[in-house]
Amino acid sequence: AQSVTQLGSHVSVSEGALVLLRCNYSSSVPPYLFWYVQYPNQGLQLLLKYTTGATLVKGINGFEAEFKKSETSFHLTKPSAHMSDAAEYFCAVSVDTGNQFYFGTGTSLTVIP
Amino acid sequence: DVKVTQSSRYLVKRTGEKVFLECVQDMDHENMFWYRQDPGLGLRLIYFSYDVKMKEKGDIPEGYSVSREKKERFSLILESASTNQTSMYLCASSASGTGSYEQYFGPGTRLTVT
Repeated sequence: AQSVTQLGSHVSVSEGALVLLRCNYSSSVPPYLFWYVQYPNQGLQLLLKYTTGATLVKGINGFEAEFKKSETSFHLTKPSAHMSDAAEYFCAVSVDTGNQFYFGTGTSLTVIP
Repeated sequence: DVKVTQSSRYLVKRTGEKVFLECVQDMDHENMFWYRQDPGLGLRLIYFSYDVKMKEKGDIPEGYSVSREKKERFSLILESASTNQTSMYLCASSASGTGSYEQYFGPGTRLTVT
């Protein structure tokens, strides 16, 4: 069975500071991993995804994530937070047996000016 | 650009009413999904469909049904709305194949049942 844990339902950072959002997964088979962002009253938008190959994945808006199999983690980072990064972030996992996704419970990012 | 549209952004219904939420995608995707989103619970899968007239139950199908008569359209039906179905409902679609295909989401419908 697959599952996703996002540590920290709320994260606050100062503008210009490092953003680190944590995601750990549980999967019995090699997973595909995704990060989505949701701005207020909108749907989810894909930030980045890991399928195969390079374990460091770059996404939109300066975000990146690293797949660490030994730690079963896929943490999202951005070197310098911007006010426009304030949003809800979701980590998700899927496996090769279909297209069903398993989402974490989300992390709300606040950026302090 | 992939587009997933949902029929309403905001909806207010009374307890016991039958409610239809419509979702349309324009990318010829085989898979379509309905989720509900609640604070602290993330996204929970209600139903999904991998082909016309095909449907599979997700994690929380009770109180809901779905219909997929055309490839581009996936409807969520609340047979008799209840207050505990007040939530944000998100529709998504994806291409078929391996799990590496991302899901594309609509803007959501915020449903209030009074």
